[in-house]
Amino acid sequence: ETGVTQTPRHLVMGMTNKKSLKCEQHLGHNAMYWYKQSAKKPLELMFVYSLEERVENNSVPSRFSPECPNSSHLFLHLHTLQPEDSALYLCASSHDSLRGGYTFGSGTRLTVV
Amino acid sequence: KNEVEQSPQNLTAQEGEFITINCSYSVGISALHWLQQHPGGGIVSLFMLSSGKKKHGRLIATINIQEKHSSLHITASHPRDSAVYICAPTIGGGADGLTFGKGTHLIIQP
Repeated sequence: ETGVTQTPRHLVMGMTNKKSLKCEQHLGHNAMYWYKQSAKKPLELMFVYSLEERVENNSVPSRFSPECPNSSHLFLHLHTLQPEDSALYLCASSHDSLRGGYTFGSGTRLTVV
Repeated sequence: KNEVEQSPQNLTAQEGEFITINCSYSVGISALHWLQQHPGGGIVSLFMLSSGKKKHGRLIATINIQEKHSSLHITASHPRDSAVYICAPTIGGGADGLTFGKGTHLIIQP
């Protein structure tokens, strides 16, 4: 365990389903991130929350909806996804400065059928 | 936008060899991360550099800010070093997130 816990580890969902990915950290970090890793592509930043406020969206489709209720928890709500959204979704956290590095979760492997 | 180039994309070496992975980026940065990703997806942060050189065990990372270049070296490589190594510069502070290279897929054969 890295200190950042993601659940579930694997998720298969239909295009009409609604599901949520969860990320939790108790490292005292105040910035949290969602990244997407598709096959054969670099990691892509989806959302950044700093001090529980969203600071970056990166033009992610609205079928992905993040939520950060407090500095320790981050969610990614999914609805009406497409098969091309199948990917590894990684959560990370850091201090909101250059004081420390990033800590990544193990990721959720999402398959949209 | 920061363009990040890593080389080589794939590297297969024998156990014990000295390994070098290179990373070049196009814009000024405040720090650069080297990450290791094992099969299954989990990512571990190896180093965060803003200047000079850092060493941790058999791993050494260097950065030249003026030349916009960083290298990751592995001494006395071992099959357990087999993984994807990713270079990730950041322009601002931590909340800016990272820009990622495509990664170097390293295989160390016994």
